[in-house]
Amino acid sequence: DIVMTQSPASLAVSLGERATINCKSSQSVLYSSNNRNYLAWYQQKPGQPPKLLIYWASTRESGVPDRFSGSGSGTDFTLTISSLQAEDVAEYFCQQYYETPYTFGQGTKLEIK
Amino acid sequence: HVQLQESGPGLVKPSQSLSLTCTVSGASISSGGYFWNWVRQHPGQDLEWIGYISYSGRTIYNPSLRSRVIISVDTSQNQFSMELSSVTAADTAVYYCTGDSGASGIGSFEFWGQGTLVTVSS
Repeated sequence: DIVMTQSPASLAVSLGERATINCKSSQSVLYSSNNRNYLAWYQQKPGQPPKLLIYWASTRESGVPDRFSGSGSGTDFTLTISSLQAEDVAEYFCQQYYETPYTFGQGTKLEIK
Repeated sequence: HVQLQESGPGLVKPSQSLSLTCTVSGASISSGGYFWNWVRQHPGQDLEWIGYISYSGRTIYNPSLRSRVIISVDTSQNQFSMELSSVTAADTAVYYCTGDSGASGIGSFEFWGQGTLVTVSS
């Protein structure tokens, strides 16, 4: 199985400041035939299911604010929130869908400082 | 707009089978390109993919659960189901049904049900 490791486990950021979450996969999730990284980011608020934010490592899902961005390739990825808003308080997960079994990171809890 | 809704018992006894159903609206479950998954989230927040059934009826399961899980589809009801046998306390989790159209890549979960908590206890 591909192991997904996120850091940090928790993060406190001031409103309006940048938040950065890292995700590392135990093997590359870049598919060479189409040059796409099979890496997704999800946001989960308490009592709600995860919500797809980013796919192909850097493509925002429809309706996701542009303060959310994804970057990285191969085995190292980053989710950045450029200017933290109160509604961004949540748990964030990365997930690889390069191969089955699909696997998730352990999550990063984002709070307001 | 695709919507998913899980249903099933919230309490299951150890060694028994856990059966859940997901009702799909806004899309035909047999529509080309769709994949229907089950994902669970343990109380410690870890997310675990259980398996999927494709629009054509092909199933793929997580090897960690393969010996105990069956995912099936009922096209007449536009539903898909999961049965997990020989449950233990370790199977206590919130179970989500999810779907993806393939537009963002097979295995990225665009659509989620609200989730249902299943507790395994005598």
